[in-house]
Amino acid sequence: EIVMTQSPATLSVSPGEGATLSCRASQGVSSNLAWYQQRPGQAPRLLIFGASTRATGIPARFSGSGFGTEFTLTISSLQSEDFAVYYCQQYNSLWTFGQGTKVEFK
Amino acid sequence: EVQLVESGGGLVQPGGSLRLSCAASGFTVSNNYMNWVRQAPGKGLEWVSIIYSGGGTYYADSVKGRFTISRDSSKNTLYLQMSILRAEDTAVYYCAGGVSGWYVYWGQGTLVTVSS
Repeated sequence: EIVMTQSPATLSVSPGEGATLSCRASQGVSSNLAWYQQRPGQAPRLLIFGASTRATGIPARFSGSGFGTEFTLTISSLQSEDFAVYYCQQYNSLWTFGQGTKVEFK
Repeated sequence: EVQLVESGGGLVQPGGSLRLSCAASGFTVSNNYMNWVRQAPGKGLEWVSIIYSGGGTYYADSVKGRFTISRDSSKNTLYLQMSILRAEDTAVYYCAGGVSGWYVYWGQGTLVTVSS
């Protein structure tokens, strides 16, 4: 099983600041990596697939990068609605999620 | 507009069974990769099972042999038959799907509680 490790567990950010979230795979997953946002009490929402392609309707302030085992989700200027938990997911070999990064108000 | 609506969750005793349903609208279950993903209280997401458009299925090791995924094209509905339930199966169960390995569409989830 491919293990996905996200860091940090919690990120404290002020509105308007940028945020960088990391995701590492225990073995190479090519570009088969997605990012999801989950707000409290809601289902996850797809942000990024193919490591760097924004899903329909996702603002340009969200960007993804990486290949193989190292991936990054960058939020360029946090809005109030962006404070949430973010998960990476690999779909190269079955499907596994990272444990999540919580982005909270500083 | 695509909608996925789960139902069938509830309280069940350890060792019991439950069948979850996910009714789709604006979206054809049989033409897409359909998954069940669960989230234990206060925890992260865990993939449970998939049924491909071609009918093939896969399961997480934690549920293999106990859970069965299926679909009914006439009802445009996805199912998860769960048996020999354990306390660690307690979670919100989401159906999720799309045309490939990532999940574009998600339901709102249904809570399964396994407790005596």
